[in-house]
Amino acid sequence: QKEVEQDPGPLSVPEGAIVSLNCTYSNSAFQYFMWYRQYSRKGPELLMYTYSSGNKEDGRFTAQVDKSSKYISLFIRDSQPSDSATYLCAMKNNFNKFYFGSGTKLNVKP
Amino acid sequence: KAGVTQTPRYLIKTRGQQVTLSCSPISGHRSVSWYQQTPGQGLQFLFEYFSETQRNKGNFPGRFSGRQFSNSRSEMNVSTLELGDSALYLCASSLGLTADYNEQFFGPGTRLTVL
Repeated sequence: QKEVEQDPGPLSVPEGAIVSLNCTYSNSAFQYFMWYRQYSRKGPELLMYTYSSGNKEDGRFTAQVDKSSKYISLFIRDSQPSDSATYLCAMKNNFNKFYFGSGTKLNVKP
Repeated sequence: KAGVTQTPRYLIKTRGQQVTLSCSPISGHRSVSWYQQTPGQGLQFLFEYFSETQRNKGNFPGRFSGRQFSNSRSEMNVSTLELGDSALYLCASSLGLTADYNEQFFGPGTRLTVL
């Protein structure tokens, strides 16, 4: 079993839709949770990170962590064609190694 | 401020050869991490260097090695290339050890194809 599981998609939504991206994990030692966006032929860029359980909002993006269920989510409100990319979740344990999901490809249609 | 740069961007090698990839971190960043990205396995951590010392290592065979120079630039080397080494190799820089910083800034990657 992989440490971090993420549905690869692709996920196709119309412009303006609310998008929900999710990851599950198996290691309860993970403390820091991150979401990256990766455009084609580019490296990942950090969108948000959260510590432990709870919600964090940044503009149209909301990150949610539920440590009891070992489940994290990224919500994108009012999605735009420019949001079309692959979204990677990542998490870090106390030994400071990052573990990444395989990424969900999102396509927002105009 | 310039971002993370990686050279070369694309590389084609044959099985059995060796390859060296280079990464220049953001100015002032002292930690460099390397990752392998493949469609099947996603992003997998290779190793992290800080102050010219390897501080953390992933589960890759000894054919994968790296080093960091005094100016924080880093190289990774893969010897005796196998077909399965075909991947995008990403370098990420951070102000300090990823133990203390959650922000990593990725370069565009080097696309390695092994024939």
